[in-house]
This record gives sequence, C-alpha cells and structure tokens, in this order.
Amino acid sequence: QKEVEQNSGPLSVPEGAIASLNCTYSDRGSQSFFWYRQYSGKSPELIMSIYSNGDKEDGRFTAQLNKASQYVSLLIRDSQPSDSATYLCAVNFFGGYQKVTFGTGTKLQVIP
Amino acid sequence: DVKVTQSSRYLVKRTGEKVFLECVQDMDHENMFWYRQDPGLGLRLIYFSYDVKMKEKGDIPEGYSVSREKKERFSLILESASTNQTSMYLCASSPGTSWETQYFGPGTRLLVL
Repeated sequence: QKEVEQNSGPLSVPEGAIASLNCTYSDRGSQSFFWYRQYSGKSPELIMSIYSNGDKEDGRFTAQLNKASQYVSLLIRDSQPSDSATYLCAVNFFGGYQKVTFGTGTKLQVIP
Repeated sequence: DVKVTQSSRYLVKRTGEKVFLECVQDMDHENMFWYRQDPGLGLRLIYFSYDVKMKEKGDIPEGYSVSREKKERFSLILESASTNQTSMYLCASSPGTSWETQYFGPGTRLLVL
C-alpha cells in the first residue's frame, strides 16, 4: 500500500509568518509531487507541482523536494488569513497508468 | 477555464436505493476520476476512466460502478446505497496521459439514511 502522510494539524501561524507544511511518502519510485489547497466546503485546487530535488518557487509559495528522504514540503511566506485552508499533498506513484495518491491534508489557520 | 460540474450539491437517499451521480467536463479531457472524501481518511479513488467506455478500479471500488458513454460525462452508480456510503463525492478530470493536474468539480454531499 503506497502511502502519503501529513500531520492533520491544525497548524496555527500569525499573519505575516512563514507556514511550513510537510509530507512524507512511502514509495521511492515516486515521480511527481503536488500541493492542492482546499477551502472549507470547496473542492481541491492545484497550487504547486514539483518533479526534481530542490526548491521551486511561485510567488509566496515554495515547494521543496528531497527524494532521498522521501519528503516534500510547502512553505508559505507572508501568510495571510486567506491562506487558511486544508493543504493536500499528492504523489504520483508511477506504475502502469500513473496514479496519484492524496494525503489526508494539513489544516492551516493564519491568525490575524 | 476548465469547468467540471456535478449534477447535485446535496443528495439524500434511503438505504437500498440506486443512486446516480453525474459529472460533466467541458475541456475535452481524456481522464476522469471519482473520489470520496471523508474526515481523517482524505481523498480516496473509487474509479477512473482514461477513455470512453474504459474504466479502471481505484482503491475502494466495492459497492460502486461507473459508466462513461461520452467523453465529457462520467457517472458514478451506487447500486444499493448503504449508510457507510454517506460521504462527499468529488469528480475530477485531467488531460492526456498525465494525471498530474486534476481539476475538481464542486462535490456532491450524499447522505444515506
């Protein structure tokens, strides 16, 4: 059973701080890694994808991947109350038809 | 913008009823998916389809079936609804052979009494 694990939270950070969200995965053969944001009562939307070791930045968001440690993280700089949501980590385990497995999500609360 | 729509936002059914959930996407995507989302369990894949009339089981297909007669439409069928199928059901689609960017519909919250 291929697994993606996240701390469910809630993770509370003050407005303007850096929020750090973490995810570990079980399969060393994983190819692609994604972060989805899900607001309460809404459906998930993709915010970041990363495919190679290192950092990938997009505005206030930075995704970090370490395949040796089987670890992917999402940093949100200058956190805003509008960032309050559940963040889902998703991992592509390649094998036949590619399959994306989602973690259970980390709830982020940004305190004004 | 990609648009994925689902037939109902809220649905209440009785145990034993046959339930149809419909999903339509307007971006000519090859791949379509049905998930259910439950607190503490996250998103779990029920079935997916990579082409018309093609379907593959996901992680939790028991008690469900699917139909894809047209490229834009993917239906989830609960043959005999049970209370443990009370959940949020999410449909998604993605282009080509890539599952990477999945676009989700608004979800259907199903309550089985």
